[in-house]
Amino acid sequence: DAKTTQPTSMDCAEGRAANLPCNHSTISGNEYVYWYRQIHSQGPQYIIHGLKNNETNEMASLIITEDRKSSTLILPHATLRDTAVYYCIAAPNTGTASKLTFGTGTRLQVTL
Amino acid sequence: EAGVVQSPRYKIIEKKQPVAFWCNPISGHNTLYWYLQNLGQGPELLIRYENEEAVDDSQLPKDRFSAERLKGVDSTLKIQPAELGDSAVYLCASSWNRGSTEAFFGQGTRLTVV
Repeated sequence: DAKTTQPTSMDCAEGRAANLPCNHSTISGNEYVYWYRQIHSQGPQYIIHGLKNNETNEMASLIITEDRKSSTLILPHATLRDTAVYYCIAAPNTGTASKLTFGTGTRLQVTL
Repeated sequence: EAGVVQSPRYKIIEKKQPVAFWCNPISGHNTLYWYLQNLGQGPELLIRYENEEAVDDSQLPKDRFSAERLKGVDSTLKIQPAELGDSAVYLCASSWNRGSTEAFFGQGTRLTVV
């Protein structure tokens, strides 16, 4: 699986958009970009995934560059409850749940 | 619908003592995972079950760790004897099957070995 690189930490003001970058320059053609987040004292939670088109769901938007070497997770209106560690993972779409390799993620702190 | 349930939430034991963690996956999920999460790190897979069969246990330290999933539903992870370095959070997760794209995690058990 391709290695991903994320900033260690980020801050965001409540109500503003949180843009979390991820670099995956060695991603292969059959690998998707997955995002999970882990709120303090809880297990990781799936957010969104995509291959090459931008994706949006009720939690977030995922923007993947045309060359697929990087992506950005966008939380459009961050709240204090979005404070968490966000993990970017590159993995095949089939059986992804069995191939989750978590790095150290980005610790997002949402402040008043 | 209940999510993945783990117990206990917290456990403090002395080194060299045994300890066991229990996991009840989401109903109908055939695949069950145990992960280890050290402080400041992401979760790491210890073992994966397809129904009652352990299909990936390459990262499980078999000298002191053992796991079972009788009847393909609940699972237990055991450490005997525990060492100081085993202090961590032990997470259980489940998915519909090995082809699933999403895994659902429990809240974890925080183990402290003193």
